[in-house]
Amino acid sequence: QKEVEQDPGPLSVPEGAIVSLNCTYSNSAFQYFMWYRQYSRKGPELLMYTYSSGNKEDGRFTAQVDKSSKYISLFIRDSQPSDSATYLCAMDGWGKLQFGAGTQVVVTP
Amino acid sequence: NAGVTQTPKFQVLKTGQSMTLQCAQDMNHNSMYWYRQDPGMGLRLIYYSASEGTTDKGEVPNGYNVSRLNKREFSLRLESAAPSQTSVYFCASSEDRGGQPQHFGDGTRLSIL
Repeated sequence: QKEVEQDPGPLSVPEGAIVSLNCTYSNSAFQYFMWYRQYSRKGPELLMYTYSSGNKEDGRFTAQVDKSSKYISLFIRDSQPSDSATYLCAMDGWGKLQFGAGTQVVVTP
Repeated sequence: NAGVTQTPKFQVLKTGQSMTLQCAQDMNHNSMYWYRQDPGMGLRLIYYSASEGTTDKGEVPNGYNVSRLNKREFSLRLESAAPSQTSVYFCASSEDRGGQPQHFGDGTRLSIL
């Protein structure tokens, strides 16, 4: 069983919809949680960085961490075609960053 | 401010050939990393350097060597390339190891025939 599980998608939504992404994990030592966005033929780009449980909002993006359920989420409001990318969750607890496999998101005009 | 720069962007090798992938960062970060990304496998850590002068194995180190040349530069060497090493290779850096977000380059696409 992988330490970090992420549905690979693809997840297709119409422009303006809310995109909901999530990851589950098994190791309770994880304390730092991140979301990366990766466009085709580009490197992952840090979107959100949170520590421990709770919510964090940055513009159209909201990250949620529920440590009791070992579950993290990313919401993208008012989605745009430019949001079409692969989204990777990542988490760290002891100096080793563990990545999910990524969810491909397609926002159609 | 370029961030993390990787060269080359693309390379085709024949089995048994050797090559070095170069990585440089201009963010004054202490820690640097090499990953490979394969379809369905996500990002897997090959080697990392927690600070200048140190290197350690990651999840998939076999067939690779690394050199932390100075604080800015971290290279990855394939001594005898194999088709199983066909992948996209990413270099990343972070301020320190442990809980810090990593910043990635745009990758080197390597095909081994």
